[in-house]
Amino acid sequence: SQTIHQWPATLVQPVGSPLSLECTVEGTSNPNLYWYRQAAGRGLQLLFYSVGIGQISSEVPQNLSASRPQDRQFILSSKKLLLSDSGFYLCAWSLGGVAAFFGQGTRLTVV
Amino acid sequence: RKEVEQDPGPFNVPEGATVAFNCTYSNSASQSFFWYRQDCRKEPKLLMSVYSSGNEDGRFTAQLNRASQYISLLIRDSKLSDSATYLCVVKGGTSYGKLTFGQGTILTVHP
Repeated sequence: SQTIHQWPATLVQPVGSPLSLECTVEGTSNPNLYWYRQAAGRGLQLLFYSVGIGQISSEVPQNLSASRPQDRQFILSSKKLLLSDSGFYLCAWSLGGVAAFFGQGTRLTVV
Repeated sequence: RKEVEQDPGPFNVPEGATVAFNCTYSNSASQSFFWYRQDCRKEPKLLMSVYSSGNEDGRFTAQLNRASQYISLLIRDSKLSDSATYLCVVKGGTSYGKLTFGQGTILTVHP
């Protein structure tokens, strides 16, 4: 069966520090991969999605970037965090027209 | 216009009530449709897919009207455990693989 791993679960980072969140999927090949952010009390904002290695679509211009160095690995990065980057970051995977399944999320607080 | 729009609620209903949520989407080329449930501070989880012919899963019934670009979710005999945020999700269309969430509808079921 397929599983998705996302870490860390919580993170507190100072303003201006770098960020790297990693997500890996097991048990499937060539999944679509997604990064979402959810601010407190708000809906899910699609940040990036990827339909294959090296293919990244960016939805919202900001100081974040994403990379997919391997088929089942998706990384979210920032060179310098802003206070507004605080939120609940969720990675998800899907195949074709099937629904997406989420990791447990990373709760990021920028201080 | 937002790609996926939902009434944010909140809906406050007594146990045993029937409640309906609506959702509209803007991209007529969208291909797949889903309802997710999100509990407080947790990741979203798939509730059910939505098919053109309508589909039912226990107390939950989903409907899709492609002509009106409208999706609905009906919950019968509400339980306290149904309290959550319900998210309408649309996949695909002109951007292959893109998965877009509505803002969510908050449901509270009270005794």
